[in-house]
Amino acid sequence: QSVLTQPPSVSAAPGQKVTISCSGSSSNIGNNYVSWYQQLPGTAPKLLIYDNNKRPSGIPDRFSGSKSGTSATLGITGLQTGDEADYYCGTWDSSLSASYVFGTGTKVTVL
Amino acid sequence: QVQLQESGPGLVKPSETLSLTCTVSGYSISSGYYWGWIRQPPGKGLEWIGSIYHSGSTYYNPSLKSRVTISVDTSKNQFSLKLSSVTAADTAVYYCARVTVVVPAMGWFDPWGQGTLVTVSS
Repeated sequence: QSVLTQPPSVSAAPGQKVTISCSGSSSNIGNNYVSWYQQLPGTAPKLLIYDNNKRPSGIPDRFSGSKSGTSATLGITGLQTGDEADYYCGTWDSSLSASYVFGTGTKVTVL
Repeated sequence: QVQLQESGPGLVKPSETLSLTCTVSGYSISSGYYWGWIRQPPGKGLEWIGSIYHSGSTYYNPSLKSRVTISVDTSKNQFSLKLSSVTAADTAVYYCARVTVVVPAMGWFDPWGQGTLVTVSS
């Protein structure tokens, strides 16, 4: 199982804001950069956030990332029906068994 | 624009070796970056398999390391995955992706291929 814990689901009405947490430890989030991925139904994951809080070109500023200690957060404002997707955090885990790890994933539902 | 495309058999028998290739277009593998494989069992989350540099330097997921080999063919601008002794638990959509490294760690994956479903069944 994943070492990064996310809530299974979050939901909100269109136009509202949601936040998704990603909880880890000092060997992963605490000492490495976090990225976030959006996976629309039936498609490949897409990079949303890298280096904790940077957005790739083309990603709207409705999406934001932050990190504090051993936790990271993805925020989505002005929620749209097209934002319904699974969201995953990811980071390097520099423990003895070094590995890239993904979060458990969060399903965002637009009510 | 960088694009990646996975290819390989969609059905593999138990105990055999799964082999997939990722063809990169719009960017030369030899120019840099790491290149990686990630998988996703049906209805489940993402799992990193491993990554390779054009020089052949590799990082593998410790939980799969004994069964995984990732190689690169710069002449064809491709990299490949071999996973041996497969079981039903290896049934998944397999994705390839470009990896940005933030030394000394894997940073992020972008872009991704569309993915290919591999089913392990007799």
